[in-house]
Amino acid sequence: EDQVTQSPEALRLQEGESSSLNCSYTVSGLRGLFWYRQDPGKGPEFLFTLYSAGEEKEKERLKATLTKKESFLHITAPKPEDSATYLCAVQALNNAGNMLTFGGGTRLMVKP
Amino acid sequence: DVKVTQSSRYLVKRTGEKVFLECVQDMDHENMFWYRQDPGLGLRLIYFSYDVKMKEKGDIPEGYSVSREKKERFSLILESASTNQTSMYLCASSSRGGGHPYGYTFGSGTRLTVV
Repeated sequence: EDQVTQSPEALRLQEGESSSLNCSYTVSGLRGLFWYRQDPGKGPEFLFTLYSAGEEKEKERLKATLTKKESFLHITAPKPEDSATYLCAVQALNNAGNMLTFGGGTRLMVKP
Repeated sequence: DVKVTQSSRYLVKRTGEKVFLECVQDMDHENMFWYRQDPGLGLRLIYFSYDVKMKEKGDIPEGYSVSREKKERFSLILESASTNQTSMYLCASSSRGGGHPYGYTFGSGTRLTVV
């Protein structure tokens, strides 16, 4: 069974204080690992897809990396508008419906 | 851009009512999904559909049913709403292959309160 565990559950940062969110996974053959951002009361928005170990993707202050067992979402010099819940999900190769298995999310709060 | 539209942002219904949540996507995606999201429990899959008139149970189908009569529309039905079905409901769609890299596009969610 595919499993995704995110840590920490919640993270409080001061504006400008860089940090990382962790996503550990077990999957029977990885097709892709996905990061989403979710603002309160809204649906998740797609951030990144990573396909293979060693891959990195960047978008503004965010950088996602992937190893064979985990992914990190690095946040450099965060701003209050980066406050949101970040969701990680995996998709297995043998997955007829392209279904994603989600982690519980990390709620990030950035204080000015 | 792919758009997934959920018909209502907020709904308040009474216990015992039959509730319909509608979801429409405009990118010809084959796969559609219904999740509920609750604090501390994350996203839980209720039902999904691979194609028109096809449906599969997810992890928590009890008390729910679905309908997919057209490719672009996936409806979630609460047969007799109960207070423990108060939640945020999220619809998502994805392509069977190619294009956007197999991930989901989510709707904006429906916050359902059952009183």
